[in-house]
Amino acid sequence: GQQVMQIPQYQHVQEGEDFTTYCNSSTTLSNIQWYKQRPGGHPVFLIQLVKSGEVKKQKRLTFQFGEAKKNSSLHITATQTTDVGTYFCAGFRSARQLTFGSGTQLTVLP
Amino acid sequence: DSGVTQTPKHLITATGQRVTLRCSPRSGDLSVYWYQQSLDQGLQFLIQYYNGEERAKGNILERFSAQQFPDLHSELNLSSLELGDSALYFCASSVTSGTNEKLFFGSGTQLSVL
Repeated sequence: GQQVMQIPQYQHVQEGEDFTTYCNSSTTLSNIQWYKQRPGGHPVFLIQLVKSGEVKKQKRLTFQFGEAKKNSSLHITATQTTDVGTYFCAGFRSARQLTFGSGTQLTVLP
Repeated sequence: DSGVTQTPKHLITATGQRVTLRCSPRSGDLSVYWYQQSLDQGLQFLIQYYNGEERAKGNILERFSAQQFPDLHSELNLSSLELGDSALYFCASSVTSGTNEKLFFGSGTQLSVL
């Protein structure tokens, strides 16, 4: 079945440094979603990418969807302490089941 | 506040017991999803309901069952509890059940089985 792998599992950065997390699927995805979960919180939807090669930006966050629609990345420029949390990618499995990646836990050191 | 309400927030019980977790979706949302989050397993999809009917099933144990009621709230029943069932259980909702739907998550129920 479809697997959604995410790397790295953990990332520690100094405040102001950049951060990137990568998501890879074993099968082609119809779209990909990204969620953020703050410590002690619940996942919150960030964005959805649908088109091959699509790039979307939200302030300091840049999301990309691969040309083959099997991988995606989230890049944060100049991290801030408010960026702390776990970032999950998620793709639909057989149009019914939203499968989440294992997540990347980001720690930002002040 | 996502608009999805989950109760209780915390639940402590013993092995072999049965518990019920409750979820009220956002107003207007017809789909409800249940996820289990444990430290070593990430967010695992359990089951989805759409307008009262089961739509998709994931890695849900036979000891677990769920339903969605006519008022669209959902309940997840966990029976014959084991230590390994200790986890954070999230409910999420979306307007419909299509692949373009974004999920809104509740705050979760932290289950501790002792």
